[in-house]
Amino acid sequence: SQQGEEDPQALSIQEGENATMNCSYKTSINNLQWYRQNSGRGLVHLILIRSNEREKHSGRLRVTLDTSKKSSSLLITASRAADTASYFCAGGADGLTFGKGTHLIIQP
Amino acid sequence: DTEVTQTPKHLVMGMTNKKSLKCEQHMGHRAMYWYKQKAKKPPELMFVYSYEKLSINESVPSRFSPECPNSSLLNLHLHALQPEDSALYLCASSQATGTYEQYFGPGTRLTVT
Repeated sequence: SQQGEEDPQALSIQEGENATMNCSYKTSINNLQWYRQNSGRGLVHLILIRSNEREKHSGRLRVTLDTSKKSSSLLITASRAADTASYFCAGGADGLTFGKGTHLIIQP
Repeated sequence: DTEVTQTPKHLVMGMTNKKSLKCEQHMGHRAMYWYKQKAKKPPELMFVYSYEKLSINESVPSRFSPECPNSSLLNLHLHALQPEDSALYLCASSQATGTYEQYFGPGTRLTVT
């Protein structure tokens, strides 16, 4: 069963704009993670937010978590062409269960 | 060194072949994972090793056989695969199972003919 469902499935924005991706999940979690994947390569960990945290920042990334709504969002500010990638939320106590992902395209 | 390496990068094999995928990490991580990813889909968990012991097998067919020879190495032995097994196979490691970030290798792109 999938832990997360991302929304939107695809997003295309202009360079410099902000990009927001949402993730909804069904079961209780201890933490939620976000990963980036460039063009069918390995995944890169972006940020981990624990269930007792509401917001977390890392550079141009901001993640929020609403456990009452079972949802999380990832905000990328001042987007760059290099941010073009697929973004996945994931959860799980041992191995990760990934959401379907959002494919983000940054137009120059 | 925060790198997970995987070999080979690409593999083409027939349905009667036996091959192995290799994964290595030198971060002292005690948990290692195999994931399978089909095109335009998210990765799906296959196996979890914790302290060199298999802790999770997500009902993977027996034609996939994992092995953890030591704390740094993880293998995936392949035998009598089907064309639908063609996918990107990703290895990952983490400090332990639980609330830890996972570090992924670049993957092995497998084509079964």
